[in-house]
Amino acid sequence: EVQLVESGGGLVQPGGSLKLSCAASGFTFSNSDIHWFRQAAGKGLEWVGRIKSKRQDYATAYAASVKGRFTISRDDSKNTAYLQMNSLRTEDTAMYYCTRRETFTDYWGQGTLVTVAS
Amino acid sequence: DIVMTQSPLSLPVTPGEPASISCTSSQSLLSSNGYNYLNWYLQKPGQSPQLLIYLGSNRASGVPDRFSGSGSGTDFTLKITRVEAEDVGVYYCMQDRQVPLTFGGGTNVEIK
Repeated sequence: EVQLVESGGGLVQPGGSLKLSCAASGFTFSNSDIHWFRQAAGKGLEWVGRIKSKRQDYATAYAASVKGRFTISRDDSKNTAYLQMNSLRTEDTAMYYCTRRETFTDYWGQGTLVTVAS
Repeated sequence: DIVMTQSPLSLPVTPGEPASISCTSSQSLLSSNGYNYLNWYLQKPGQSPQLLIYLGSNRASGVPDRFSGSGSGTDFTLKITRVEAEDVGVYYCMQDRQVPLTFGGGTNVEIK
């Protein structure tokens, strides 16, 4: 069974940092692209960024709203992807989800809540 | 960026009746490999999104056959032949043809 489990969310002050994890199981993690999305309370879904597989040189891409502040990485030996978030703003407050993409984006984790507030 | 436009915003439905949601993209989602990179998701209250339809018209594993997806290029439709109470939630179309991946604004399906 494919599973993605996010963790690492919490309350952080504006300007602070947080690192989210996405632990995967039930599939060959190293072959999959991993995407991060977020959803503010009562709002729609927003793509944050992605990291490709080793076969594609771990290429990353980011939404304009987070570029230069967020960094996605992965450790295939641990079947885990990460989202390092720096210089956090109140508008980054959201539920953060990771997903896998092979030919298409299918499985989503249950999400981890990030709250940026003073 | 590819802009996704979804309608209607809200869709009250009677159980047993059909429902239809439209999704239009600002650029073609049809790739040279013949795939339309358009997916449909349902987000039930308090849950993460779940895949219903992938590559425009393919039902995901475990999805009831009352759900179907159609369309190609820039115009897509999700249809439910007979809505059931468990189908309530927000439906999203999403293109994963290119980054940034983008979503329609969502359609809130509720039971009348």
